[in-house]
Amino acid sequence: GIQVEQSPPDLILQEGANSTLRCNFSDSVNNLQWFHQNPWGQLINLFYIPSGTKQNGRLSATTVATERYSLLYISSSQTTDSGVYFCAVEVSTLGRLYFGRGTQLTVWP
Amino acid sequence: EPEVTQTPSHQVTQMGQEVILRCVPISNHLYFYWYRQILGQKVEFLVSFYNNEISEKSEIFDDQFSVERPDGSNFTLKIRSTKLEDSAMYFCASSEGTSSTLHFGNGTRLTVT
Repeated sequence: GIQVEQSPPDLILQEGANSTLRCNFSDSVNNLQWFHQNPWGQLINLFYIPSGTKQNGRLSATTVATERYSLLYISSSQTTDSGVYFCAVEVSTLGRLYFGRGTQLTVWP
Repeated sequence: EPEVTQTPSHQVTQMGQEVILRCVPISNHLYFYWYRQILGQKVEFLVSFYNNEISEKSEIFDDQFSVERPDGSNFTLKIRSTKLEDSAMYFCASSEGTSSTLHFGNGTRLTVT
């Protein structure tokens, strides 16, 4: 099956810092989504981004499908950004997502 | 904003018992899913459901698992005879279509003792 690799596995930042999270995938995909899992375990959809660039406030994402990677940018990080960020890809048209292992982000005040 | 709701939030059961996890997907969504996450690990697909039938299932979704949409709003996951290794967070999700934004519920934490 498809491999989804995320880096770095762990990231510790001071509040206000910027960061870039990376997702590499091993095959062509129909769909790529970024999720944030907060400390209470909730999975929140951040971006649906099979290609191109999108921005939502302090977060933005870019997917280069031809090179099989996606980047999530977090600017001016806040303590509420802490949690695990997952990248997930869809390879068929049936809706199943394959998740990476996530990046654990900790933002200190 | 509409959301996916799951009940209960936490379920403790003894090995060998049957459990039913319940979900109410977003009302205009047509595709429903169950995923699970063992503590500290990645999120894994179990099953997708569309038009009152399973459209895809993973190797995890063996004969001990079943899904049902008993009425127009609920979507359930049944584990017939729980094992210790079934302990995990179970997430229900829904989407308008395939290749659409996936919306997750808050999960049911299942503990099998």
